[in-house]
Amino acid sequence: GEKVEQHESTLSVREGDSAVINCTYTDTASSYFPWYKQEAGKSLHFVIDIRSNVDRKQSQRLIVLLDKKAKRFSLHITATQPEDSAIYFCAASRSSGSWQLIFGSGTQLTVMP
Amino acid sequence: EAAVTQSPRNKVAVTGGKVTLSCNQTNNHNNMYWYRQDTGHGLRLIHYSYGAGSTEKGDIPDGYKASRPSQENFSLILELATPSQTSVYFCASGEPGTGQDTQYFGPGTRLLVL
Repeated sequence: GEKVEQHESTLSVREGDSAVINCTYTDTASSYFPWYKQEAGKSLHFVIDIRSNVDRKQSQRLIVLLDKKAKRFSLHITATQPEDSAIYFCAASRSSGSWQLIFGSGTQLTVMP
Repeated sequence: EAAVTQSPRNKVAVTGGKVTLSCNQTNNHNNMYWYRQDTGHGLRLIHYSYGAGSTEKGDIPDGYKASRPSQENFSLILELATPSQTSVYFCASGEPGTGQDTQYFGPGTRLLVL
């Protein structure tokens, strides 16, 4: 079946550095790729998304890149801050038209002061 | 901001018992979803619904039933709970195809089956 692989299970960066989280997907027809943030003990909160008709999207310090040929997308967090520390999940839409998302396994990002 | 609430927030159940997890959304979204979150697996889809009266199987439906009696409410039912169903359960709602394809998540229910 369709899968989304999130390559980094943990990631540590120094405050002010950039963090990059990479995901790959298997469903060629996936067209929607959201990212969610989960702070310790809390629920998932949407942070940014990208659609397959573009290859780059930026929202403040967050940049998402999409490479459809490689079936890869990535989240770049620039000028990281301690409050960026959380688990980040990538997801990809299923092509079946049922409006389902397939989630990666999550990346624990730690931003060290 | 979308509002999705879940109850109970924490639940301890016995093996073989019946458990009902409830979800309510006030966004008038057609689609609702139940996921479970386990370490190393991310979120896995159990059941989803397109609207009142509709329930569909997700990726891991075995041992679970769902009920969507109204636009606002979506329940997940464990008829015979087992320890392997110990997990954190999230409900989500969404209105895809409107340009806002994101899903909005509830706070989660932590279920422990002894």
